[in-house]
Amino acid sequence: GENVEQHPSTLSVQEGDSAVIKCTYSDSASNYFPWYKQELGKRPQLIIDIRSNVGEKKDQRIAVTLNKTAKHFSLHITETQPEDSAVYFCAAFSSGSARQLTFGSGTQLTVLP
Amino acid sequence: GAVVSQHPSWVICKSGTSVKIECRSLDFQATTMFWYRQFPKQSLMLMATSNEGSKATYEQGVEKDKFLINHASLTLSTLTVTSAHPEDSSFYICSAGEGRGAYEQYFGPGTRLTVT
Repeated sequence: GENVEQHPSTLSVQEGDSAVIKCTYSDSASNYFPWYKQELGKRPQLIIDIRSNVGEKKDQRIAVTLNKTAKHFSLHITETQPEDSAVYFCAAFSSGSARQLTFGSGTQLTVLP
Repeated sequence: GAVVSQHPSWVICKSGTSVKIECRSLDFQATTMFWYRQFPKQSLMLMATSNEGSKATYEQGVEKDKFLINHASLTLSTLTVTSAHPEDSSFYICSAGEGRGAYEQYFGPGTRLTVT
């Protein structure tokens, strides 16, 4: 089955700096890669996603890049703000027989004011 | 659109009792719903995939006789934790996708289960 690895597990940045979180996946049948932000006790919120036919996608301060050959994808947050502090999860959706999301282990992002 | 609700939002029960959690898609039909469990400071772990009108598919290590899943309609799936133990205390989250080919999952708000 799919295995998604995520790094780093914790990340602290100064307000206004950029944050980068990286994930790798193992299943070449995976073709959809969402990123979620989860605040304590709340549901995961989709913040951006990318499909395997695209290499990069941007939405205001958030961007995601995908390298299908290397099987890795990254989340980039620019001009970070304290309200960006949360746990971020990457995930991979396999279009193979399993057809399910596999989550990374999460990154606790802290933006210091 | 694409709203998923869960009920209850939190529940406390005694060891040995059963608890039912409901997951509803409010404005779309969900052929497939997923049930996740999340322990503190950990990731979401898929427990089972619930398909409307058929048996759920459980992930390795998840006891199907302990975590009963029913997906009787296109808008409702239920998870029943039977004979609950303190180690079952966790955050249970469901998600649903629109149609069999859909990628995007819409998550419910989660249910915090505490077993005393």
